[in-house]
Amino acid sequence: DQQVKQNSPSLSVQEGRISILNCDYTNSMFDYFLWYKKYPAEGPTFLISISSIKDKNEDGRFTVFLNKSAKHLSLHIVPSQPGDSAVYFCAASARAGNNRKLIWGLGTSLAVNP
Amino acid sequence: ETGVTQTPRHLVMGMTNKKSLKCEQHLGHNAMYWYKQSAKKPLELMFVYSLEERVENNSVPSRFSPECPNSSHLFLHLHTLQPEDSALYLCASSHTIGLSEAFFGQGTRLTVV
Repeated sequence: DQQVKQNSPSLSVQEGRISILNCDYTNSMFDYFLWYKKYPAEGPTFLISISSIKDKNEDGRFTVFLNKSAKHLSLHIVPSQPGDSAVYFCAASARAGNNRKLIWGLGTSLAVNP
Repeated sequence: ETGVTQTPRHLVMGMTNKKSLKCEQHLGHNAMYWYKQSAKKPLELMFVYSLEERVENNSVPSRFSPECPNSSHLFLHLHTLQPEDSALYLCASSHTIGLSEAFFGQGTRLTVV
């Protein structure tokens, strides 16, 4: 059972427009969320994160919104650029005993067209 | 360059071979991870080490054996693998587990023939 779901496997957006990537989760114990970006043949790179005590975090063109009641978060990229074309992974973290667990979504492949 | 280096980048091995994947980080991080990425599956966390102690082993078959000799190095020893073990194996490190960004290596593309 997937605890972190990225229901759109792919998304295509025109350059300059907004890209919205969605992520849903089922475990209410998740209290920290991260977005990573992955280019082919490379490891994922961290983009932005948000704690469950916040509902928005912004970093340049990237904004993450968290709706705890809906167990939903989204990543907004404005304006989208061709270099943003990559696979975007959502990850959620929860305390597990003395450590923490990090659960990943399947990823959404974003294509930004010039 | 993320500060996490994995070698080799590509590896082809037979089912009876023994090989090792190496990961190195000099970021001063306390946690290191092995992940497996297969096609059309989420990133699968295999092992987590915190301060050189294994803190998580996610039901990984014994043909995969991790080793963390110090906080900067992590190995994954491979023995009698199956073709379905072919995947991209990613190493990552972070300051703390799950609450700080993880830095990933470029991965080792493993093919088992």
